[in-house]
Amino acid sequence: EVQLLESGGNLVQPGGSLRLSCAASGFIFGDYVMNWVRQAPGKGLEWVSTIGYDGGATYYVNSVKGRFSISRDNSKNTLYLQMNSLRADDTAVYYCAKGSSSMTTVTTMDYWGQGTLVTVSS
Amino acid sequence: SYELTQPPSVSVSPGQTAHITCSGRRLGDKYACWYQQKPGQSPVLVIYQHSKRPSGIPERFSGSGSGDTATLTISGTQPMDEAVYYCQAWDSRAFGGGTKLTVL
Repeated sequence: EVQLLESGGNLVQPGGSLRLSCAASGFIFGDYVMNWVRQAPGKGLEWVSTIGYDGGATYYVNSVKGRFSISRDNSKNTLYLQMNSLRADDTAVYYCAKGSSSMTTVTTMDYWGQGTLVTVSS
Repeated sequence: SYELTQPPSVSVSPGQTAHITCSGRRLGDKYACWYQQKPGQSPVLVIYQHSKRPSGIPERFSGSGSGDTATLTISGTQPMDEAVYYCQAWDSRAFGGGTKLTVL
């Protein structure tokens, strides 16, 4: 059974930093693209970042470029999102989502975690 | 950037067929997938590559695509199908704005 367990969400002040983790199990982690998707309170889904199966390719939505960094440790079956210079509009539930393919051009996400809440407020 | 447009809401009576559309330039050529999100829950993939159902998704869920439009069809809609549905194109990471399906 595929499981994705996010952690690291918290209340942080504007300008602060946070690191999210996603522990994966039930599949060969190193074979698949992984993603972060967020959802602001009462809003729709917003793709944040994607990383290739080997970490060699990374992609970001424009609003987080230069502030967020996605990475993965295939030996630990774990995905990360380092978030710096956080702003109020980064407040959201952050979901870890497994890609359905090893190809970054295929964007379907076939399994999602339960999400972790990041609140940016003073 | 590639944009996908969905109607904000769709209503359907129990047992009837619901159609939820998603519009984007040449979306029919790109394949679409659909996610279901119930209140307080994580999204679930219900349709991929326009019309394929993941394991465990009921047969009443189907999809199609042509031209600039992809359509999610729910036949014999049940109250448990009430949720927000999001579309996504095969090669675009952006999501549509979501359609709230009300079963009443």
